[in-house]
Amino acid sequence: KAGVTQTPRYLIKTRGQQVTLSCSPISGHRSVSWYQQTPGQGLQFLFEYFSETQRNKGNFPGRFSGRQFSNSRSEMNVSTLELGDSALYLCASSQTLQGANTGELFFGEGSRLTVL
Amino acid sequence: GQQVMQIPQYQHVQEGEDFTTYCNSSTTLSNIQWYKQRPGGHPVFLIQLVKSGEVKKQKRLTFQFGEAKKNSSLHITATQTTDVGTYFCAGRRDTGRRALTFGSGTRLQVQP
Repeated sequence: KAGVTQTPRYLIKTRGQQVTLSCSPISGHRSVSWYQQTPGQGLQFLFEYFSETQRNKGNFPGRFSGRQFSNSRSEMNVSTLELGDSALYLCASSQTLQGANTGELFFGEGSRLTVL
Repeated sequence: GQQVMQIPQYQHVQEGEDFTTYCNSSTTLSNIQWYKQRPGGHPVFLIQLVKSGEVKKQKRLTFQFGEAKKNSSLHITATQTTDVGTYFCAGRRDTGRRALTFGSGTRLQVQP
């Protein structure tokens, strides 16, 4: 079965612009989580969506937002980009809500964002 | 908020040597997971531990969950070059918000 698909894989933006990243989870998975990975900070939790509702949110400013569609696909948006937003954005899917399940996260390849 | 600390940040070993990474949480965990990320890749699930004092083995890898469910370790016996990568622990709090919190990772380099 197909894995988690993230698009685009690479993108370059300038400060002040906005960006939208897309994630298609594994078929049948209803939970989608987003993580920001940077060399110095590791994997930082952004948010989790389940059945089109945001269930958990990390400590990121309001410029970071997301949504989930009825087919479980998810998008995240970052507005007013800053240099510090340069990172690898990873999407992960799981069958059930993170906190309720005992299963693993399946990660996509990530979207590498560079902000100039 | 919940913090998950992981040490060491980096370890360079000769092939055949053992390797251990340690994970400590500021709060009691309901379970802990371990992931491996190869250079240029994405994190891949290795294992989950749920019970206090639990020990699980996968070939040369041994995973332990502490009695107090606040710490965990991953030990690799006789490392191979295929073990190169960054190992992350990820803990889920016992109460309240339950999103997985990842440790900062331990990057393992194996010299052939």
